[in-house]
Amino acid sequence: DAKTTQPTSMDCAEGRAANLPCNHSTISGNEYVYWYRQIHSQGPQYIIHGLKNNETNEMASLIITEDRKSSTLILPHATLRDTAVYYCIAPSSGTYKYIFGTGTRLKVLA
Amino acid sequence: GAVVSQHPSRVICKSGTSVKIECRSLDFQATTMFWYRQFPKKSLMLMATSNEGSKATYEQGVEKDKFLINHASLTLSTLTVTSAHPEDSSFYICSMGGDTDTQYFGPGTRLTVL
Repeated sequence: DAKTTQPTSMDCAEGRAANLPCNHSTISGNEYVYWYRQIHSQGPQYIIHGLKNNETNEMASLIITEDRKSSTLILPHATLRDTAVYYCIAPSSGTYKYIFGTGTRLKVLA
Repeated sequence: GAVVSQHPSRVICKSGTSVKIECRSLDFQATTMFWYRQFPKKSLMLMATSNEGSKATYEQGVEKDKFLINHASLTLSTLTVTSAHPEDSSFYICSMGGDTDTQYFGPGTRLTVL
């Protein structure tokens, strides 16, 4: 797995965009970047994943730099229910194993 | 995404007893299943990986005789914590994967050993 580095915590005002960065400088060419979030006492929830191109779904957008060494998860209009720990993962292709780092604890403030 | 359930959601047992946790996929056939453990305020730690019909592969430091994993079918995996002790108290989470890297997680089982 490519090692990922994320800030420990972030605050975001309700209704504003939350931009969560992730550094994965050792990622190899065929390894995807996955984002999950974990709300207290629940299992992780899949958000989005991508390889090279930017991706968008109903939950979020994923921006991957051209060199693929970092990415940013964007929650366009954060709500209080988006308060969670967000994990960025880059599993080694073929092993399917996830190695979770510490993640970013996002707190959305009213 | 796939829906994964776990049963029970929480369990309290006495020290020395064994506890079985079930992980089921409701709408997805999983070729690979994973079991994680999470201590309070810590990140998820991978315990083992299993493929249907094969023995589970355990991560370093995880006792295979203590944490028995059975990948019974493409929709069911079980984790049995044998002779549980208070230090085994934790949040246990399963996930299921197919032919891609995407994993779908269960809601977790909170085990408390008295």
